[in-house]
Amino acid sequence: DGGITQSPKYLFRKEGQNVTLSCEQNLNHDAMYWYRQDPGQGLRLIYYSQIVNDFQKGDIAEGYSVSREKKESFPLTVTSAQKNPTAFYLCASWVPDRNTIYFGEGSWLTVV
Amino acid sequence: GENVEQHPSTLSVQEGDSAVIKCTYSDSASNYFPWYKQELGKGPQLIIDIRSNVGEKKDQRIAVTLNKTAKHFSLHITETQPEDSAVYFCAASSNTGNQFYFGTGTSLTVIP
Repeated sequence: DGGITQSPKYLFRKEGQNVTLSCEQNLNHDAMYWYRQDPGQGLRLIYYSQIVNDFQKGDIAEGYSVSREKKESFPLTVTSAQKNPTAFYLCASWVPDRNTIYFGEGSWLTVV
Repeated sequence: GENVEQHPSTLSVQEGDSAVIKCTYSDSASNYFPWYKQELGKGPQLIIDIRSNVGEKKDQRIAVTLNKTAKHFSLHITETQPEDSAVYFCAASSNTGNQFYFGTGTSLTVIP
């Protein structure tokens, strides 16, 4: 079954901890994205990657880090430097033949 | 860069009535305009899209119109049903860089 898989669905983090959100796709897509969504708000781009071993900062990259060691994987680390990390995080990948992006089901991160 | 504005932020309609959501964009290079539906706690799902070489596209009860001159596009939902209740996002993209710019979302409530 193909698609974009995000895990975990729910994650709780203590202040001062780093956490990593997983995003895997078996669609052979080149470009992948991470967005942050706050309650009642739109989507803000954190990082994106066009190809393996390359990634670019989005509008709100501070306090986050990513890696793209494999085409199918684009994990996002929320570091302790991110002052307000509680949000819904969405991973997406780009479909070249339609020039559009598809989203995963999202991960809820809550700081406790 | 591109700026996408979306209105209204909330919309309530009676079941069976029509709903219209409008977006404007600023970059004349944008040529692809997808619409996403997001249900609570889930990732956005692509419901319809339009490219700049057409003015209108329809898929059953949903349609999208595009006015390139005025740089605005709209989503039309006819014969609304309670299951249409969700948050809807518009987006704009160009062929360069696979960048997508999202509106701030419209929360649609269909009242039975």
